[in-house]
Amino acid sequence: EPEVTQTPSHQVTQMGQEVILRCVPISNHLYFYWYRQILGQKVEFLVSFYNNEISEKSEIFDDQFSVERPDGSNFTLKIRSTKLEDSAMYFCASSRLETGELFFGEGSRLTVL
Amino acid sequence: GQQLNQSPQSMFIQEGEDVSMNCTSSSIFNTWLWYKQDPGEGPVLLIALYKAGELTSNGRLTAQFGITRKDSFLNISASIPSDVGIYFCAVTSGTYKYIFGTGTRLKVLA
Repeated sequence: EPEVTQTPSHQVTQMGQEVILRCVPISNHLYFYWYRQILGQKVEFLVSFYNNEISEKSEIFDDQFSVERPDGSNFTLKIRSTKLEDSAMYFCASSRLETGELFFGEGSRLTVL
Repeated sequence: GQQLNQSPQSMFIQEGEDVSMNCTSSSIFNTWLWYKQDPGEGPVLLIALYKAGELTSNGRLTAQFGITRKDSFLNISASIPSDVGIYFCAVTSGTYKYIFGTGTRLKVLA
């Protein structure tokens, strides 16, 4: 069964360093998303991406964040200069339709020291 | 911002019991999704609802999309230990984002 895959599963970084989280969405999906979940809390929307551009972003997604689809399969989230409060699980998700079923990857745990 | 409230926040139940949880919103949404999340893993889609009043089943799970399009419930029948986890509802109205609820944490006592 097709699935969303994410790498790395866990990344530890120093405050101020750049981090890139990678995702391979399901192959026939057109809408891509990043969410984050701080331990024990709810899943928060960061950004959606469609037709090679950002469709919507939340207030969390400030200038330190960027997304890119560099080729036909990968979808990346870059945090330019990490802060302690960026420590969280980051989930990539994709859907085939704008309001269709949303499928999540296993997540990338980011720890900022 | 838009709020999606789930109740109860957490519940302990005995194995074999039926479980009911719900999700309410102050706004109308056209798509309601229910997810289960195990510790350290990503949310897994359980049921998708697209039509007000729709009742959909997936094995022991049954979910309904409220007629007002502002609520939904999820029932689990004959609970088993592996039903333990956090259940989230999520909604969208085609604004390129899905909003997640606050979650219901389910613990099953064998």
